[in-house]
Amino acid sequence: QSALTQPPSASGSPGQSVTISCSGTSSDVGAYDYVSWYQEHPGQAPKLIIYEVTKRPSGVPDRFSGSKSGNTASLTVSGLQAEDEADYYCCSFADRNTLVFGGGTKLTVL
Amino acid sequence: QLQLQESGPGQVKPSETLSLSCAVSGGSVISEDYYWGWIRQPPGGGLEWIGNVCSNGNKFYRPSLSTRLSLSMDTSRNQFSLRLTSVTAADTAVYFCARRGRTISSPTFLAFDYWGQGILVTVSS
Repeated sequence: QSALTQPPSASGSPGQSVTISCSGTSSDVGAYDYVSWYQEHPGQAPKLIIYEVTKRPSGVPDRFSGSKSGNTASLTVSGLQAEDEADYYCCSFADRNTLVFGGGTKLTVL
Repeated sequence: QLQLQESGPGQVKPSETLSLSCAVSGGSVISEDYYWGWIRQPPGGGLEWIGNVCSNGNKFYRPSLSTRLSLSMDTSRNQFSLRLTSVTAADTAVYFCARRGRTISSPTFLAFDYWGQGILVTVSS
């Protein structure tokens, strides 16, 4: 069970858009439409921002959006704000009813 | 508002057993709509799924931990627990408990929507 592949870092200026990729395999991301994304600020618990590839929980701004193509899922943050600076993790349902997380991406707002 | 709170020792000696509990308030752990799960994060590292347990008895474990791991539920105390045997320094991490939707009736299917604050467990002699 290998971790999903995310870029270690991403950045953008306020107001810009940034996209974070999450690459998996045909046993996880490619096989199931159950990718979720989590935002983690230092010292805090992760917060769910996207589930089932594209859905947003109540209270999550529509600046956050998700998509998937083949074995790769993506998170796009539009209209970057200072408070978006955080670590972002993707997670996918996988074979044998397991879960696999990505290695995480540190998003910096310039 | 659902709240989860981890508890347990902050330090465990190598080769010994790590035991943690997660107390749930504001809701019941007795529900087939949810899994109750554990996730850990090594210092400076990423998130790692450990396993899930459901009140109907279903349990799913990370394959690499399955020989050392046991998850259980105590519905009378509205909590669930983790037991990891033969720990090494590689098990040093912040351990989070969380709720995960299990059925399409749940608000966030197959995603962790409520998390505890996490507890740091250090494996050291």
